[in-house]
Amino acid sequence: DAKTTQPTSMDCAEGRAANLPCNHSTISGNEYVYWYRQIHSQGPQYIIHGLKNNETNEMASLIITEDRKSSTLILPHATLRDTAVYYCIVRWETSGSRLTFGEGTQLTVNP
Amino acid sequence: EPEVTQTPSHQVTQMGQEVILRCVPISNHLYFYWYRQILGQKVEFLVSFYNNEISEKSEIFDDQFSVERPDGSNFTLKIRSTKLEDSAMYFCASKSGGETQYFGPGTRLLVL
Repeated sequence: DAKTTQPTSMDCAEGRAANLPCNHSTISGNEYVYWYRQIHSQGPQYIIHGLKNNETNEMASLIITEDRKSSTLILPHATLRDTAVYYCIVRWETSGSRLTFGEGTQLTVNP
Repeated sequence: EPEVTQTPSHQVTQMGQEVILRCVPISNHLYFYWYRQILGQKVEFLVSFYNNEISEKSEIFDDQFSVERPDGSNFTLKIRSTKLEDSAMYFCASKSGGETQYFGPGTRLLVL
């Protein structure tokens, strides 16, 4: 799986959009970008994933650059409950394969 | 919405004792996983299980660890003789044929 680089921490004001960047410059053509988050030692929670195209669901949007070397997770209207560690994970789409977590980005949403 | 459940939420044990952590994966899921997170550290993969056998394991998953799916619903992680360094949060995850793994709330294991 390709290595990812994320900022250690970010702050965001409540109600504003939170934009979390991830660099994955060594990503290969068959690797997907996944985002999970972990709220204070709870189990990691799946947010969204994508291959090439931008994706949106009820939680977030994922913007992947055309060269696929970086991506941004967007939480459109951050709330205090979005305070968490956000993990960007790049992995092959092969059944059964493990998730490899890095350090992630600690997002703090401030009132 | 279906979810992965884990019991107990907390477990305190003496060093050298055996512990069994239990998980009920999401119904109809086929792939099962255990991860752990030592306090202040990253989430680490331990083992994956599919079709009633281990499909992948990490270097952490040594002979002291075993997994089992004793019936159609439970998925267990057994640590035969616990060590102080086994103290961690243990997360179970499951997935269907798709690629998204869904995690349980975890069991906090404290070895004294």
